[in-house]
Amino acid sequence: EPEVTQTPSHQVTQMGQEVILRCVPISNHLYFYWYRQILGQKVEFLVSFYNNEISEKSEIFDDQFSVERPDGSNFTLKIRSTKLEDSAMYFCASRESGGAWPYNEQFFGPGTRLTVL
Amino acid sequence: SQQGEEDPQALSIQEGENATMNCSYKTSINNLQWYRQNSGRGLVHLILIRSNEREKHSGRLRVTLDTSKKSSSLLITASRAADTASYFCDREYGNKLVFGAGTILRVKS
Repeated sequence: EPEVTQTPSHQVTQMGQEVILRCVPISNHLYFYWYRQILGQKVEFLVSFYNNEISEKSEIFDDQFSVERPDGSNFTLKIRSTKLEDSAMYFCASRESGGAWPYNEQFFGPGTRLTVL
Repeated sequence: SQQGEEDPQALSIQEGENATMNCSYKTSINNLQWYRQNSGRGLVHLILIRSNEREKHSGRLRVTLDTSKKSSSLLITASRAADTASYFCDREYGNKLVFGAGTILRVKS
């Protein structure tokens, strides 16, 4: 069964460093997402991406964050200058089509645990 | 706010018993999805119910949706120890999911 994959599973970085989290969505999916979950807190939406551009982003997704689909398979989240509060589990998700009919589910990857020291 | 409430926050039952979790939401939704998360791990999709559906089944899972009351419930029948996890009712607004705090289910063997 196709699945969303993410690498690395765990990333440790120093404050101020840039990190790139990688995701490979399911191959025929068109919409891509990043969510994050700070330890002990809710899963929060960061950004959605469709047709090579951001379709929606949350307040969390400030200028330090960017997303890219550099080729036909990868979908990346870059944090330019990490802060301590960026430590969280980052989940990538994909879906076959958008929120309009037909409705369908978002499939999540296993997550990347980012630790900022 | 688009967020609603999940109820209960925590639930502890014996293996074999049924578990019922509820959630409510505040504004119109496209659909509602239930996910499971084992401790510190990824989110597993369980069931999606569309706004024009009232009930859906998948194996031991049964989801209902009452749009007039803006609420949904997830029933897990004949629970197993492996069902121990956090369960989230995620409302779809537009093209994004809004997660609540979830219900922590513990199934004791």
